[in-house]
Parts: sequence; C-alpha cells; structure tokens
Amino acid sequence: AQKVTQAQTEISVVEKEDVTLDCVYETRDTTYYLFWYKQPPSGELVFLIRRNSFDEQNEISGRYSWNFQKSTSSFNFTITASQVVDSAVYFCALSAPNTGNQFYFGTGTSLTVIP
Amino acid sequence: KAGVTQTPRYLIKTRGQQVTLSCSPISGHRSVSWYQQTPGQGLQFLFEYFSETQRNKGNFPGRFSGRQFSNSRSEMNVSTLELGDSALYLCASSRGEIDEQFFGPGTRLTVL
Repeated sequence: AQKVTQAQTEISVVEKEDVTLDCVYETRDTTYYLFWYKQPPSGELVFLIRRNSFDEQNEISGRYSWNFQKSTSSFNFTITASQVVDSAVYFCALSAPNTGNQFYFGTGTSLTVIP
Repeated sequence: KAGVTQTPRYLIKTRGQQVTLSCSPISGHRSVSWYQQTPGQGLQFLFEYFSETQRNKGNFPGRFSGRQFSNSRSEMNVSTLELGDSALYLCASSRGEIDEQFFGPGTRLTVL
C-alpha cells in the first residue's frame, strides 16, 4: 500500500525565514514517483516538482529546494527566504506504476508567512 | 496553452438530488482523474479515465460515477446526494501514467 505522511499540520514563519516541509512516504514498489503541489487560497493545486525513485539528486529552483533521501523515505521541501506569497497549503504525493495513475496525497501542511 | 477547466465553479444542491460536474483537460492530455477534497479526509482519489475507459477507481460508493468522451473531456456524476458529499471536487489531467497531473480550479459542491 502507498502512504504519504506530512506530520506538520500548520507552520508559521516570519518573512525571510527559511522553512522546511517534511514528507515521509511508504511504498513497496521500487519504481515510484514523488510530487509536491501548492494549494493557494484560490484552491487550485499547482504542480511544483516531480521526482522518480531512481534519481536522488537534490534539486533547487530559485528559493525552492527538495531533498530526496531513499534511506529515510523522505522527500522534504525547503523554502529559502520565505515570502508572504508562499502562504498556502503544500501537499506531497506519491504514485507508482503498480497503482496506475492514482496519486496518494499527504494531508498537507498549511504554511503561513507573517510579514 | 489553456489549463484544466472545470464547470461549474460553485454548486448548491439539496439532499437526494443528483449533480454532474464537467472537466476539460489540457489539450493533448488523455488522462483525467477526479479527486474529492474535504477538511476531514483530505484529498481522496475518485477515479481515472484514459481514452474513454475507466482505468482506476478509488474507494467510493457507486453513487459516484464518471465518464470520458472522445475529446478527453470528462464528467462525474453524484446521485442521491448526501450532506457528506459537500466538498471541493478537483479534476486533474496528464499525458499518461505517472506523469505529473495538472489540476483545475475545482467545483465547490455544497449539499444542504
């Protein structure tokens, strides 16, 4: 069975602080894909990143960076120098060929950046 | 490139009624998935369609159904609405399996 856990329900930071959102996953598949999505107050989920299980290279995109560690089954997301516009709910998700195109989402982390 | 569109954006129904939601995927995307989002249960997978065939189904009662047309547009139907069906219904499209899914703005359904 596939499972994604986002233990942090809510996080508040002051603008310009760095913040890390945790994501821990469970799967028995050797091939799987991990995703992060952002859901601003408008409600639409915005795709941020996709990672496959064979690529543990960390990725940086502007102020965003992702740390994928298979040894700890984690795919953490860090926002550097947070901004008010980063306030949103962030979801981590998992999919695997054995379960088709079904995404398994975590419960989300609500991030509030205080100006 | 236009994104995923969903209609209507908001809907108010009463218990026992039925409702049909519509989703138009990104051009060229053949897979359409539906999710239900509620504060208590989070994002839950309803079903996925690819080339007019349902490929995968989540753990929802038979009152929830869907279909996909030859142009990849999809509809989902909920019959005999219950209060607990109040939720944000999200549609997502992708090129194929395991590709990233792109979500529409959702349809906010309120059942009174």
